[in-house]
Amino acid sequence: KQEVTQIPAALSVPEGENLVLNCSFTDSAIYNLQWFRQDPGKGLTSLLLIQSSQREQTSGRLNASLDKSSGRSTLYIAASQPGDSATYLCAVRGGNKLVFGAGTILRVKS
Amino acid sequence: DTAVSQTPKYLVTQMGNDKSIKCEQNLGHDTMYWYKQDSKKFLKIMFSYNNKELIINETVPNRFSPKSPDKAHLNLHINSLELGDSAVYFCASSQDGTGDQPQHFGDGTRLSIL
Repeated sequence: KQEVTQIPAALSVPEGENLVLNCSFTDSAIYNLQWFRQDPGKGLTSLLLIQSSQREQTSGRLNASLDKSSGRSTLYIAASQPGDSATYLCAVRGGNKLVFGAGTILRVKS
Repeated sequence: DTAVSQTPKYLVTQMGNDKSIKCEQNLGHDTMYWYKQDSKKFLKIMFSYNNKELIINETVPNRFSPKSPDKAHLNLHINSLELGDSAVYFCASSQDGTGDQPQHFGDGTRLSIL
């Protein structure tokens, strides 16, 4: 049974810092991995999707890496801004469904 | 021009009642999903439909019955509501069921059972 763990559970940083969020999964037989952002009272917004054959994906200040063999992914956020404050969720797809981690709550202080 | 819309946004009701949550997507996607997010914030898949056909049915009590009248709509009916059903329910859609395309989520329905 696939299990997804995200570390840290919460993170508070000053504006402008670069930061890394971690995601690990127990079963490396995945099709892809997706990072989402969830704002309070809102649904999830897809940030990046990495196929199992890819090593990384970039979008603006976000860079996500995938090491399938070790069961790890990182989300790197450059030059963080207060608007980045949200919960970040990692989800892996094995079979025909997504399995989510519990998320990292990020707070960027101005 | 909301992509995935759910109604109602909030639902407060008493134990034992029957309620429905509606979901509509205007993205032209073939696949729709229902997820449950519990108090610990874990999101778990409940159901998935592809072109009105059920393709995922997780271990969910049969009090929960999804219905897809067409591929743009996936409704969730819940019978005999219990305290443990209190959660946020999210609808999502994707281009197809292969999983190669990202899923797009609605804003959720917050269900509270008194």
